Amino acid sequence: EPEVTQTPSHQVTQMGQEVILRCVPISNHLYFYWYRQILGQKVEFLVSFYNNEISEKSEIFDDQFSVERPDGSNFTLKIRSTKLEDSAMYFCASSESFRGTGQNSNPEAFFGQGTRLTVV
Amino acid sequence: GENVEQHPSTLSVQEGDSAVIKCTYSDSASNYFPWYKQELGKRPQLIIDIRSNVGEKKDQRIAVTLNKTAKHFSLHITETQPEDSAVYFCAAQWKNYGGSQGNLIFGKGTKLSVKP
Repeated sequence: EPEVTQTPSHQVTQMGQEVILRCVPISNHLYFYWYRQILGQKVEFLVSFYNNEISEKSEIFDDQFSVERPDGSNFTLKIRSTKLEDSAMYFCASSESFRGTGQNSNPEAFFGQGTRLTVV
Repeated sequence: GENVEQHPSTLSVQEGDSAVIKCTYSDSASNYFPWYKQELGKRPQLIIDIRSNVGEKKDQRIAVTLNKTAKHFSLHITETQPEDSAVYFCAAQWKNYGGSQGNLIFGKGTKLSVKP
């Protein structure tokens, strides 16, 4: 079964450093997302990406964050000048878009296993 | 934007009992409502979803109901088992036929504990 893969599984970084979190979405999916989950809290939307550009972003996704699809398979989240409060689990997700009448479309968002970012 | 409220935040039931988790949403344009189960340290995984053109959907012990007028939807788990213990998240999203869609917005989660 195809799945979304993320690397690394765990990243420890010094405050102020830059990190890049990597994701390989499912190959025939068109929508890509980054979500964040602080320990014990809900899954929070960061950004969605479609057709090689950001389609929506949340208030959390400020100038510190950027996303890129550097090639046909990878989707990255860059966090510049990390802060202690950036420590969280970061999930990448991907989904198909609806097509036609929707009878044969799969709306499910598939999540990667997450990258646990620890800023020290 | 969309706001999803989820209740209760914690739920403890005896094995074999039913569990019900409720969510409300604010954006009437939302038309897709998935439920995710997240075990400790793992990724959220879809367990059931419902689109706005149906009022109820069932898959074995799990069912979801949707009331579009009231903008709320509920997850029902019958004959609960210890392995149902996890955090459950509801979510809402709008999707248009033809390809455009909004973002998946999650509720705060319900920690379900099923006691043997």
